[in-house]
Amino acid sequence: EVQLVESGGGLVQPGRSLRLSCVASGFTFDEYGMHWVRQAPGKGLEWVSGISWNSGHIEYVDSVKGRFTVSRDNAKNSLYLQMMSLRVEDTALYYCAKSRWSAPLDYWGQGTLVTVSS
Amino acid sequence: SYELTQPPSVSVSPGQTASISCSGDTLGNKYACWYQHRPGQSPVLVIFQDKKRPSGIPERFSGSNSGNTATLTISGAQAMDEADYYCQAWDRNTVVFGGGTKLTVL
Repeated sequence: EVQLVESGGGLVQPGRSLRLSCVASGFTFDEYGMHWVRQAPGKGLEWVSGISWNSGHIEYVDSVKGRFTVSRDNAKNSLYLQMMSLRVEDTALYYCAKSRWSAPLDYWGQGTLVTVSS
Repeated sequence: SYELTQPPSVSVSPGQTASISCSGDTLGNKYACWYQHRPGQSPVLVIFQDKKRPSGIPERFSGSNSGNTATLTISGAQAMDEADYYCQAWDRNTVVFGGGTKLTVL
């Protein structure tokens, strides 16, 4: 059974940093791209970042470029999102999801909540 | 940047057919997929490659994609289908979601 378990969310002040993690199981992690997708309160889904199986492709939505860094450790079946200079508008439930590159996001985790507030 | 546009809401009576549209520039030249997102749950892929259903997705879910519009069709809608639905496509190595459509079954 595919499982994606996110962690690392919490309450943080504007301008501070946070690191999210996603641990994967039930599939061959190093054969898949991975993504972070967020949903702000009352809003729709927003893709944040994606990383290919070998980290050869790394992409971000414009609003987080220069502030967020995605990475993965295939030996640990883990995906990360280092978030810096956090803003109030980064407040959201952050999901990790898997996909072949240029393919649908076929499994999603339960999400971890990030709240940016003073 | 590439944009996908969906209607904010669609209503359907139980047992009737619901159609949700998703429009984008030459979307028909890309693969479209659809996700169902119920409150408090994770999104679930219901249609991929325009019209294919993942294992476990009921046959009442179908899709099409041509020109500038992709469409998700739910035939014989049930109360359990009430959810937010998002279309999605890839554009230049990035994932793009539509704004989402709230489907109400009443």
